[in-house]
Amino acid sequence: GAVVSQHPSRVICKSGTSVKIECRSLDFQATTMFWYRQFPKQSLMLMATSNEGSKATYEQGVEKDKFLINHASLTLSTLTVTSAHPEDSSFYICSARGAGRTDTQYFGPGTRLTVL
Amino acid sequence: QKEVEQNSGPLSVPEGAIASLNCTYSDRGSQSFFWYRQYSGKSPELIMFIYSNGDKEDGRFTAQLNKASQYVSLLIRDSQPSDSATYLCAVNSWRRDTGRRALTFGSGTRLQVQP
Repeated sequence: GAVVSQHPSRVICKSGTSVKIECRSLDFQATTMFWYRQFPKQSLMLMATSNEGSKATYEQGVEKDKFLINHASLTLSTLTVTSAHPEDSSFYICSARGAGRTDTQYFGPGTRLTVL
Repeated sequence: QKEVEQNSGPLSVPEGAIASLNCTYSDRGSQSFFWYRQYSGKSPELIMFIYSNGDKEDGRFTAQLNKASQYVSLLIRDSQPSDSATYLCAVNSWRRDTGRRALTFGSGTRLQVQP
């Protein structure tokens, strides 16, 4: 149980284009989803937290107009990187947390974004 | 002071030995504690979680929690080369800015198990 998928696993795009990444909880309802970014040899950096049906809460320094997050259902959240630039190239990882007393977050496999 | 602190390593142990990974945290109100393993180029995977003081064992892994000392550790018995990875400690702590609890991750300890 507690499987989280991400799509695509890898994407290469040209500078200026937008990229959408999907995160799905496959066997549980995710009341909260989290989006992280990780640069090579660095630790996870939380970008934003989204609760189903409400606006995402962004971490300090993360541009909400550039990283659009939608959590439209209890099993799906999307992150759109708008007008991507080479400095946005990174490993983007989502995680999901279900309802109930457990605080456990389950991670998706990640999406490696390369902006040319 | 960082909220969750880990020694970055690398921690090098011979195959078959016990690897001991340590983590300290600053939020005394934290209720739940997690260990994740992350292989290079992959996303973190949950190893185990612990809520109560004391030890919790799962196979070759033992998590130890001491809330009074704000300390949580992970022991890996009979270490294997396949255990070589970065181990992330995560603590569920109160976020003043969001008014909610969220996991705060340490920067991870890199473990190398030598064959």
